[in-house]
Amino acid sequence: DGGITQSPKYLFRKEGQNVTLSCEQNLNHDAMYWYRQDPGQGLRLIYYSQIVNDFQKGDIAEGYSVSREKKESFPLTVTSAQKNPTAFYLCASSKSRSDEKLFFGSGTQLSVL
Amino acid sequence: GDSVTQMEGPVTLSEEAFLTINCTYTATGYPSLFWYVQYPGEGLQLLLKATKADDKGSNKGFEATYRKETTSFHLEKGSVQVSDSAVYFCALRRKGAQKLVFGQGTRLTINP
Repeated sequence: DGGITQSPKYLFRKEGQNVTLSCEQNLNHDAMYWYRQDPGQGLRLIYYSQIVNDFQKGDIAEGYSVSREKKESFPLTVTSAQKNPTAFYLCASSKSRSDEKLFFGSGTQLSVL
Repeated sequence: GDSVTQMEGPVTLSEEAFLTINCTYTATGYPSLFWYVQYPGEGLQLLLKATKADDKGSNKGFEATYRKETTSFHLEKGSVQVSDSAVYFCALRRKGAQKLVFGQGTRLTINP
């Protein structure tokens, strides 16, 4: 079955630690996105990538980093510079940058110990 | 900047009740409008969309009409089921823009 796989489902971060969230898709989509979901605030865009080896900052990129070395993979690193990392993180993809339909993974809940 | 405002939740209804979830937006030009649904423990799924004024999007018994004059895209369903319990997100995307702008989400619970 085609889809987007995020792992792990739950992740805990210690103070000063970097953690990486995985996102893999087998839909052959060019564009991929990372959103952060906080209660009562909806989804906010962290980073997006239109094509391999290219990515742009979204609205809340500070304290996060990404890479897009392979078409199917778009990992998100939450660095120690992100002072409030506790949130639900959602990865999404679309066929192309102009395609309006997004496909979402099932998310990763990140909490701070 | 662009923004989407949804009615406050949570919303609790009995099975077979009529559902309305209000959504209004602020954007330059004529954006495309969407409703996404998030079932418990899952990611978001596209429920329906409309790309121009007076368009009606529909899916699984849900409907929403793009109202330019009131900048609204309210979600409706005539008879809800327990399986409709989820969080519903209204969103917009300006033509040529890369990102979706989401509302805060409305949690819907349907009791049998």
